[in-house]
Amino acid sequence: GDSVTQMEGPVTLSEEAFLTINCTYTATGYPSLFWYVQYPGEGLQLLLKATKADDKGSNKGFEATYRKETTSFHLEKGSVQVSDSAVYFCALSESVNTNAGKSTFGDGTTLTVKP
Amino acid sequence: DAGVTQSPTHLIKTRGQQVTLRCSPKSGHDTVSWYQQALGQGPQFIFQYYEEEERQRGNFPDRFSGHQFPNYSSELNVNALLLGDSALYLCASSSAGDLYYEQYFGPGTRLTVT
Repeated sequence: GDSVTQMEGPVTLSEEAFLTINCTYTATGYPSLFWYVQYPGEGLQLLLKATKADDKGSNKGFEATYRKETTSFHLEKGSVQVSDSAVYFCALSESVNTNAGKSTFGDGTTLTVKP
Repeated sequence: DAGVTQSPTHLIKTRGQQVTLRCSPKSGHDTVSWYQQALGQGPQFIFQYYEEEERQRGNFPDRFSGHQFPNYSSELNVNALLLGDSALYLCASSSAGDLYYEQYFGPGTRLTVT
């Protein structure tokens, strides 16, 4: 079945540091890939997405590139801020086959940015 | 434009009881999915409703059931509650016309079973 593996956390960085959160996936079809962010006490917010190989999703300074050859979708940001402190989830959704419409999530990576 | 709304925000139940959670999808969306998020873990897919029918189901027992109404809103019912059912329950809506199933999440209902 489908699965998503994220780098284990927590991750603690100083403000303006470079961020990478690794994500790899296993899927039977042709998934779309997503990064979601969850702030304390809130639901998930879509951060960015990529729907086919070599697509780059970007939003609010965050970027991730869909790498089919390495089945990866690593999240990066060049300069983090204290306000980026949150839990980040990598996820996939299949658009075809019997899993269409079902999203599979990783376990999340907690990011803390210190001033 | 209202986003996804869920009610109640918090709920405390006793083992063996039954609970109903409610979700209203984002305007223009016709598909509702439910997820269970245990503390410190990622959301786990419970099921998805489209056109008032269950279209997909994850690995959850039959104690978990749902319903979708003609206005696309949805309910999640859990019978015979167990301590392990304590979690944040998230509702997500999407459009069946969206090939990539981009989902919008509600704030969740925090269920505590004692």
